[in-house]
Amino acid sequence: AQSVTQLGSHVSVSEGALVLLRCNYSSSVPPYLFWYVQYPNQGLQLLLKYTSAATLVKGINGFEAEFKKSETSFHLTKPSAHMSDAAEYFCAVSPSSGNTPLVFGKGTRLSVIA
Amino acid sequence: DTGVSQDPRHKITKRGQNVTFRCDPISEHNRLYWYRQTLGQGPEFLTYFQNEAQLEKSRLLSDRFSAERPKGSFSTLEIQRTEQGDSAMYLCASSSGTDNTEAFFGQGTRLTVV
Repeated sequence: AQSVTQLGSHVSVSEGALVLLRCNYSSSVPPYLFWYVQYPNQGLQLLLKYTSAATLVKGINGFEAEFKKSETSFHLTKPSAHMSDAAEYFCAVSPSSGNTPLVFGKGTRLSVIA
Repeated sequence: DTGVSQDPRHKITKRGQNVTFRCDPISEHNRLYWYRQTLGQGPEFLTYFQNEAQLEKSRLLSDRFSAERPKGSFSTLEIQRTEQGDSAMYLCASSSGTDNTEAFFGQGTRLTVV
């Protein structure tokens, strides 16, 4: 069985500050890991994915995440927050390459303060 | 390609009524997924299809729920005898079925049962 824990249901940062959203996973097989972003009343958009290649994954909009097997973590970072980054972020895990159902965390709402 | 399309975007219904939602996946995507998302939670898997075959159903999918994908293209999700607890956002996603691909999500159908 697989699960995802996102630490912090709400994170608030100042514009220009570092963004760090935490995700820890549990998986009995080598996982595939994803970060999605959701704007109000919208579907989910993929930010980045880890598929057992490079452990540091770069995504869209300046986001990146590092897979750390020893810590079972896949934290999302961005060096400098922008107002447009305010949204809900979801970490998800899958036992295969993305073609099986995803298990999502509960999400972290990011607020960016001017 | 217009992405994953869901219809309607919003549905308000009285308790006890039946509702049906439609999802049109990205053309030639052979996998189609349904998720449910309640307020403050991440999406939860309901069911998915490979072409017209329903491969897996979650325990969340009670006998009042039924999903079909008759020709391997669009899919419908029907809820019979709706209850207030069915109020949620219903998300559809599709993927190509090949390795290292991602699921693309529609904008969702928001159901409110009054």
